Amino acid sequence: DAGVTQSPTHLIKTRGQHVTLRCSPISGHKSVSWYQQVLGQGPQFIFQYYEKEERGRGNFPDRFSARQFPNYSSELNVNALLLGDSALYLCASSLETVQETQYFGPGTRLLVL
Amino acid sequence: SQQGEEDPQALSIQEGENATMNCSYKTSINNLQWYRQNSGRGLVHLILIRSNEREKHSGRLRVTLDTSKKSSSLLITASRAADTASYFCATGGIQGAQKLVFGQGTRLTINP
Repeated sequence: DAGVTQSPTHLIKTRGQHVTLRCSPISGHKSVSWYQQVLGQGPQFIFQYYEKEERGRGNFPDRFSARQFPNYSSELNVNALLLGDSALYLCASSLETVQETQYFGPGTRLLVL
Repeated sequence: SQQGEEDPQALSIQEGENATMNCSYKTSINNLQWYRQNSGRGLVHLILIRSNEREKHSGRLRVTLDTSKKSSSLLITASRAADTASYFCATGGIQGAQKLVFGQGTRLTINP
C-alpha cells in the first residue's frame, strides 16, 4: 500500500502570494493532520480533519485554512505569504484520532522570498 | 509553545554504543509517541506508549514512561550509522485535543 503522499515536494513563492499544498492519506485512513516545521524546530500542529470536519486548530493566523474532501484527501491553503511561512509542511494520517500512530508524508518544502 | 522538551539537544556516540534520549512534558497525556526524522524529510513513527503503560520494546528500541515525573526515555541499543537522525517525542490526546505536540528534538550522530 502507498504511504501518505504530498504534493508538490518543493515550492518557491514570493511574499503576498497564495499557496495550496495537497495530501493524500493512506487508504482507509479518515484523519488528516497538518504540521509546520521550521528549520531546527519540532513540528507545530496546524489543523486536524476527520470525516471532512475540522477537529482541531493550532495557533496559526486566519491566513491558514484547510479542507478535507470526500475521498479523505486534504488541502492546506496559505494566503498572503510571509517570509516566516518558509518551512517544511507535513501531513499525517491515521485511522481516526491522534491517539493512534500517525503516518507522515515526506512533506512539502516551501520557500517564501 | 512546545509541550515536550528533549534532552540532550544533540548526542554523538560511537557505533555499537547505546543512545539514550529523554523527553519531559508538562500536562496530562493520553499517549506519547517517538518519531525519527532523517535530514529534514518526513517523520517515521517508532513507538507509541499509552499513559497506562510503563515500558515498551521494539527491536533495538526501548521506551519508558513515568507519568508521575512527566517524562519518557528512548533507548537505542547497539547503535548503527543508519540511526543517525533527529528524534522527536510527541504527546497526544492532551485534554481531548486532537493534535500531537512535539518537542524540539534530539540530534543523534553515530560515528563509525
